[in-house]
Amino acid sequence: RKEVEQDPGPFNVPEGATVAFNCTYSNSASQSFFWYRQDCRKEPKLLMSVYSSGNEDGRFTAQLNRASQYISLLIRDSKLSDSATYLCVVNKNTGGFKTIFGAGTRLFVKA
Amino acid sequence: GAGVSQSPSNKVTEKGKDVELRCDPISGHTALYWYRQSLGQGLEFLIYFQGNSAPDKSGLPSDRFSAERTGGSVSTLTIQRTQQEDSAVYLCASLKGAADYEQYFGPGTRLTVT
Repeated sequence: RKEVEQDPGPFNVPEGATVAFNCTYSNSASQSFFWYRQDCRKEPKLLMSVYSSGNEDGRFTAQLNRASQYISLLIRDSKLSDSATYLCVVNKNTGGFKTIFGAGTRLFVKA
Repeated sequence: GAGVSQSPSNKVTEKGKDVELRCDPISGHTALYWYRQSLGQGLEFLIYFQGNSAPDKSGLPSDRFSAERTGGSVSTLTIQRTQQEDSAVYLCASLKGAADYEQYFGPGTRLTVT
């Protein structure tokens, strides 16, 4: 089982739709969590950090559920420009610091 | 300000040759990661440098891979006796502190081994 798992998708949604992605992690010692966005043939860029209390940035909401060991990303009112791959990132510090990227969830927003 | 830069942007090499990939992190960033990404796949952790600490090399796939970071700044990733399965995009990311900070990625080096 991978340490960080994501549904690879693709998710095909119309403009204006609400879409949600989940990411599960296996190590309960995981300490910090992020969502990155990667456009086709580009480098990843930070979308948002994920806090225990949940956090919102405009149309994007990220949540962490430590008990069930998953994080989520909700995108409201999808735009064409939201089309990208969304990468879940988990940091842990057990016998050495490690950052683990999920394989990503592909999103296509269509007009 | 300047972001993370990597060179070369593309590298085509013959199987069995050695290659060196370079990463120039953001000035003042103390931590640096190397990853590789195969087509349509996620990022695979290779190595992590943090300040003057010994690097975490646990992600290097074989002893053909090595990396160094000189003067706490520029890093080079060396692949000896390249194989076709080494073909991928090699990404470098720098951070201003511990790994809880945002990772700033370079544009990557696309390596093709023929």
